[in-house]
Amino acid sequence: QPVLTQPPSASASLGASVTLTCTLSSGYSNYNVDWYQQRPGKGPRFVMRVGTGVIVGSKGDGIPDRFSVLGSGLNRYLSIKNIQEEDESDYHCGADHGSGSNFVWVFGGGTKLTVL
Amino acid sequence: EVQLVESGGGLVQPGGSLILSCAASGFTFSGSAMIWVRQASGRGLEWVGRIRSKADSYATAYAASVKGRFTISRDDSKNTAYLQMNSLKTEDTAVYYCTRQGSSSSIDSWGQGTLVTVSS
Repeated sequence: QPVLTQPPSASASLGASVTLTCTLSSGYSNYNVDWYQQRPGKGPRFVMRVGTGVIVGSKGDGIPDRFSVLGSGLNRYLSIKNIQEEDESDYHCGADHGSGSNFVWVFGGGTKLTVL
Repeated sequence: EVQLVESGGGLVQPGGSLILSCAASGFTFSGSAMIWVRQASGRGLEWVGRIRSKADSYATAYAASVKGRFTISRDDSKNTAYLQMNSLKTEDTAVYYCTRQGSSSSIDSWGQGTLVTVSS
């Protein structure tokens, strides 16, 4: 099964842009990855899914146009433009693998985004 | 609007049992796979297990950490999913989220979570 790796922290200034990275383990370059936002003290919410190119399917409810994704090689990126205070969150990535009783869902360790 | 509302969390002693419920609304529950995810305090997300729809024979799958102790079920007539947790360990302490696996296979909807504390 794939392993998803995320840097533990990132920071960006108000109004700036930031790109968060989720890296798949070797051999899984064709996998789709979901991105989730988790604000402090809240549950996660779905942002969008990214494959080997751009978005797969639709954005989650209420996700602004400032959020975009890109997939390249083993990396799945979530970019945020014109960062706002409310973007300060933990961002998790996740992917499904297998089927039937062998199905698993794996998550990265999460990246804490601080808005300066 | 999709809504998932968990209930049943609380304090339980090690070795004890607890059943969580997830009441769903705003979508065709019977056609959706449901997934449970947990998060220990200050930690990342951990997949617990999945139950598929009737069309997929209600197939289940579990994380290695809970296999043999946890059971996921559903009652489509009540639009409710369940997580039966037995032989609970202190390391099962976490907020448990009920989620939906959407048509594009994403986990696209999350409940607000319910806290399970396993402690003597």
